[in-house]
Amino acid sequence: AQKITQTQPGMFVQEKEAVTLDCTYDTSDPSYGLFWYKQPSSGEMIFLIYQGSYDQQNATEGRYSLNFQKARKSANLVISASQLGDSAMYFCAMRVYTGGFKTIFGAGTRLFVKA
Amino acid sequence: EPEVTQTPSHQVTQMGQEVILRCVPISNHLYFYWYRQILGQKVEFLVSFYNNEISEKSEIFDDQFSVERPDGSNFTLKIRSTKLEDSAMYFCASSELLGRYSNQPQHFGDGTRLSIL
Repeated sequence: AQKITQTQPGMFVQEKEAVTLDCTYDTSDPSYGLFWYKQPSSGEMIFLIYQGSYDQQNATEGRYSLNFQKARKSANLVISASQLGDSAMYFCAMRVYTGGFKTIFGAGTRLFVKA
Repeated sequence: EPEVTQTPSHQVTQMGQEVILRCVPISNHLYFYWYRQILGQKVEFLVSFYNNEISEKSEIFDDQFSVERPDGSNFTLKIRSTKLEDSAMYFCASSELLGRYSNQPQHFGDGTRLSIL
């Protein structure tokens, strides 16, 4: 069965410090995509970063990087130099193909950035 | 930047009534999706739609739900006879044509908050 697990319901980080949000996944499909989305209190879903199962290098997008450890089936999000505006819910998600594409989301981690 | 638009932003409906949620995907996108998020919970996949037919659906997407692309721009989700537990935020999303190795993300609309009384 396909599953995404985020074990940190809430995280605190000091402004300007780095923070790692954990994500593990489970799938038997060798081809999949991993995504991170940010959901601020206003409710919209904002795409942050993508990692493909065959990508050799870890993905980076500005202050966001994805620590992809395929053997461990983990795809942790690292946010460097945290800003107050980073306070939000963060969802890890996995896209799989099961005759059609679907994306499965984890339960999310709420990040609080302290001034 | 093009975006996915959803209307209305908030819909209040009596239990048992039909409701239609509307979405305009990004114009060159070919894959369309509906997700729901019950307050405080995770985002759940409902259905994906490609080439005018359902591509994949979840267990949640039962006979009460249907999707349609009535014209070249709109993509709708209909709930035939709403229940209290249908109260949630419903997100529409779209993506470009995907291959198995595509890195194209889904782009989400801002959601429609559905409240069933």
